[in-house]
Amino acid sequence: AQKITQTQPGMFVQEKEAVTLDCTYDTSDQSYGLFWYKQPSSGEMIFLIYQGSYDEQNATEGRYSLNFQKARKSANLVISASQLGDSAMYFCAMREPPLYNQGGKLIFGQGTELSVKP
Amino acid sequence: NAGVTQTPKFQVLKTGQSMTLQCAQDMNHNSMYWYRQDPGMGLRLIYYSASEGTTDKGEVPNGYNVSRLNKREFSLRLESAAPSQTSVYFCASSEASGGVETQYFGPGTRLLVL
Repeated sequence: AQKITQTQPGMFVQEKEAVTLDCTYDTSDQSYGLFWYKQPSSGEMIFLIYQGSYDEQNATEGRYSLNFQKARKSANLVISASQLGDSAMYFCAMREPPLYNQGGKLIFGQGTELSVKP
Repeated sequence: NAGVTQTPKFQVLKTGQSMTLQCAQDMNHNSMYWYRQDPGMGLRLIYYSASEGTTDKGEVPNGYNVSRLNKREFSLRLESAAPSQTSVYFCASSEASGGVETQYFGPGTRLLVL
């Protein structure tokens, strides 16, 4: 069965520094998708970045990048130049195959709470 | 363009009471989902609707029913609420773009069952 593991319940980072949030996954499928979502204290879930299992390059979206190591089954989120507004819960999620059909289900990790210090 | 909207934002129920959580999206997405989030945990899928007219069970469907009223609306019903259903409920809808289907979430409904 697919599983997502986030081993860091909480992280601190100094403003303007980079931070890496860990995510490991377990699946026997060859085709899968990995997502990161941000949940600020207001509660909404905000999509950040996506990596497909067959994508050769690491995904990047502005200050967010995904360090994808397929052999290690890890998909770590890197936030560069942290800002105070980055303080939030961050969730890693995996999409079960098929990837491109409608109604695909996501499996979420337990989340990492990031606090950015001024 | 409001995205995904949910009503109510907060609700307190007594054990045994029933209620329906409403969800609507204005993005013309085909697929919609209901998740619950418990303290210290990620989201778990309750039910989903891949397209209008279809619904399927997710990971934790017991105690819930859903209705895909039309393409825009997907409701979640608790027939007889239990304290174990105290949670935050999120609705989501999804689109396929650039070869990937991304889910977009509503603001959530906080439910307390006493």
